[in-house]
Amino acid sequence: EPEVTQTPSHQVTQMGQEVILRCVPISNHLYFYWYRQILGQKVEFLVSFYNNEISEKSEIFDDQFSVERPDGSNFTLKIRSTKLEDSAMYFCASSLGHPEWGSEKLFFGSGTQLSVL
Amino acid sequence: AQKITQTQPGMFVQEKEAVTLDCTYDTSDPSYGLFWYKQPSSGEMIFLIYQGSYDQQNATEGRYSLNFQKARKSANLVISASQLGDSAMYFCAMRLTSGTYKYIFGTGTRLKVLA
Repeated sequence: EPEVTQTPSHQVTQMGQEVILRCVPISNHLYFYWYRQILGQKVEFLVSFYNNEISEKSEIFDDQFSVERPDGSNFTLKIRSTKLEDSAMYFCASSLGHPEWGSEKLFFGSGTQLSVL
Repeated sequence: AQKITQTQPGMFVQEKEAVTLDCTYDTSDPSYGLFWYKQPSSGEMIFLIYQGSYDQQNATEGRYSLNFQKARKSANLVISASQLGDSAMYFCAMRLTSGTYKYIFGTGTRLKVLA
């Protein structure tokens, strides 16, 4: 079965540094997402991306965050100046269909564990 | 606003027995999808089962079934014949079919299957 690929699996950074988390969604999928999970708890929505633009973002997704799909295959999440509270597991996800197709399940990557020191 | 509630932070079940994980949701939108995901200790999110708001029958996928009670706004996951490998975190999620692209998740239930 096709899968969403995320790199790196672990990222350690110093507070204030920029990080870029990378994802390769499933090739024919149209909708892309970033979620984060702190300490194995709630899965929090960050941003959704469709047709090369952000379609929706949460209050967590402030000016320090940005997303890009630079080359039609990669989907990146950038955190410009990391804070301690950004430490979390970041999941990339993608889905195939139109949002009206409620049955479209999310396919998740295996996540990037970000640790901010 | 849409909301998913999972009131059981942790559950235990004996191997080979059935277990029900609770999920209630809140939305005023008539059209939505409900999903269950499993997250084992390795961390990946695995899709288990889907139920559409207009589906007349409860969804089933192997040992997983979804007890959908629309009037009560509940979508409980039933795992039959539990196996040790079912020990994991389970998340209920909802997606509307208009006005938003996002899936929202509950806080999860940690299931431990006992030998």
